[in-house]
Parts: sequence; structure tokens; C-alpha cells
Amino acid sequence: QKEVEQDPGPLSVPEGAIVSLNCTYSNSAFQYFMWYRQYSRKGPELLMYTYSSGNKEDGRFTAQVDKSSKYISLFIRDSQPSDSATYLCAMSRSGAGSYQLTFGKGTKLSVIP
Amino acid sequence: GAVVSQHPSWVICKSGTSVKIECRSLDFQATTMFWYRQFPKQSLMLMATSNEGSKATYEQGVEKDKFLINHASLTLSTLTVTSAHPEDSSFYICSASYPTDYGYTFGSGTRLTVV
Repeated sequence: QKEVEQDPGPLSVPEGAIVSLNCTYSNSAFQYFMWYRQYSRKGPELLMYTYSSGNKEDGRFTAQVDKSSKYISLFIRDSQPSDSATYLCAMSRSGAGSYQLTFGKGTKLSVIP
Repeated sequence: GAVVSQHPSWVICKSGTSVKIECRSLDFQATTMFWYRQFPKQSLMLMATSNEGSKATYEQGVEKDKFLINHASLTLSTLTVTSAHPEDSSFYICSASYPTDYGYTFGSGTRLTVV
């Protein structure tokens, strides 16, 4: 079993839809959870950062962490064509500093106008 | 915010030659930088952790003699792919952590094609 599992998609939705992206993980030592957006041939950019369980909202994006189920989600409301990208979940045992990240495979999202 | 600059963005080289990729933290000092490799439709795989002034720590299965990492200053880490072969063709990405931020900032990546 891989440490982080993420459905690679592809996922195609109409503009304005609510998108739900998910990851599961097996290592209970993970404490910090992140979502990155990666456009084609570019480096990932940090979208959301969450510590431990709970919800975090930033504009159209909401990140949820359920440590009891080892399950994290990213919701995108009112999706836009500019949201079309690959979304990677990532997690680590420690926060800022030198701790390495473990990534999911990424889910490719297409938002159709 | 933290900015990580990576160069070149793409490079084509002949089999058997070496290629150097640079990763710079532009507005902060990065004690630690990370080098990743990403194949098409695959996730980022950590190759090595680069620490300023010391030897890099390589992940299992990564050849340290083939992928030379140098972190000579707090703002620059380099990855040299030595004696490159077509199977080394991939997308290489570096990242660094801003001391007071969470998460990591990534460079824009380098697409290496070995012909």
C-alpha cells in the first residue's frame, strides 16, 4: 500500500460546478497537509495548508482533514476554466523547515466553459 | 513571498554528456532544498535533500554518483546529471522552505530530454 493514494482522474466538470478532490493516506504520523496546483510543465504552487484535523477556507477553496479516517479533501466552488490543472495532495510529519513531503499522484482537472 | 528560481526551464542534450540545473532562493536563505523528479502523469518523487555546506541525502534507489548535488551557499543548490542517458529524460523540480512559512515553494522545473 502506498503512503498516499490519490485518484489520478482525469476529472472533467462544467464551469460553475463544485469539485471534490480527495486523498487517503496510511501513515498516522502525518500532521501537516497541503494541496498544490500544477499547470502543465510548471512547478507546483501551494494552494492550501492545514495542520491536523479540521476545515480551512480560502476564497473558493476549502480544505478538509479527517485524521481519524486518514482522508483529506479539497473542494473548489464555482469552478472556472482557469482552475484546469493537476492537483496534488502532499503531507509531512513536520511543518516549516526541513521535513520532506510525500505527494499523491495528482488529479488532473478540466473545467469546461 | 518566497521565490525559488530554477534554470534552465528546458534542456536537450546528447547521450553521455552532463547537464547542470540551478535552483536559487531569490529573497530568502534556504538551509535545505529538495530535488524531485516527475515522470509524465506521475507524482513528484523525492530524489535527494540538499543541505547547505554538507553532503546531500539521497533517497533509496537514486544514484548519488549520477545525480550530483551541490549546495555551496544558502541561496543556491545545483543538480548535475552526469553521463546522461535517454532514461534520465524527465521533469526535475527543486523546492525550498521559507523559514517562517508552511509548505514549500517550488521552482518552475526543468524538462530534460536526452537524445
